[in-house]
Amino acid sequence: ETAVFQTPNYHVTQVGNEVSFNCKQTLGHDTMYWYKQDSKKLLKIMFSYNNKQLIVNETVPRRFSPQSSDKAHLNLRIKSVEPEDSAVYLCASRDRGNSDYTFGSGTRLLVI
Amino acid sequence: GDSVTQTEGLVTLTKGLPVMLNCTYQTTYSPFLFWYVQHLNEAPKLLLKSSTDNKRTEHQGFYATLHKSSSSFHLQKSSVQLSDSALYFCALNSNNRIFFGDGTQLVVKP
Repeated sequence: ETAVFQTPNYHVTQVGNEVSFNCKQTLGHDTMYWYKQDSKKLLKIMFSYNNKQLIVNETVPRRFSPQSSDKAHLNLRIKSVEPEDSAVYLCASRDRGNSDYTFGSGTRLLVI
Repeated sequence: GDSVTQTEGLVTLTKGLPVMLNCTYQTTYSPFLFWYVQHLNEAPKLLLKSSTDNKRTEHQGFYATLHKSSSSFHLQKSSVQLSDSALYFCALNSNNRIFFGDGTQLVVKP
């Protein structure tokens, strides 16, 4: 099956903890992304990454960092979570040119 | 700068009625427009896409026409169903960067 796979589906943690979310795509795409979808359902890009370049949205706090071992994997680490980090984190991949995104099913984070 | 505007945050309709969700964009590059649909607790999925001016594109009963003269790509359906209740995002690919609108929540009532 070719798709974008995210784990875990849900994660509940306390303020100050470190969390890590995994994303893997089997579509052969060359670029991967992390989006944050907040309570208002807005899609906000956090990172885009191909095997040559990481582009960071400058509004993303430094406690967030992407981690990639190859072009099929892009994980997201949050060093010390805060309450406002509660959201759904969507991973996506895309090929070159004007092709569309394929999204993963998302990781819902709740910080208590 | 490049952007996408969806004017309606929420659209509520009765089943069987027609719907149009507005999408306008701003770019200096050649635009490629998309509509994504996100059902509750699911991932956004591609519904339609187009880069051809004045050509209607259709999928699953939904249709849209890219009009470069008015910078619009409105989503339409002639008769909405209960299962169409979802969040709809318009998106623009401009110079290989993707811009999403804020989304329009469509609620279809019996």
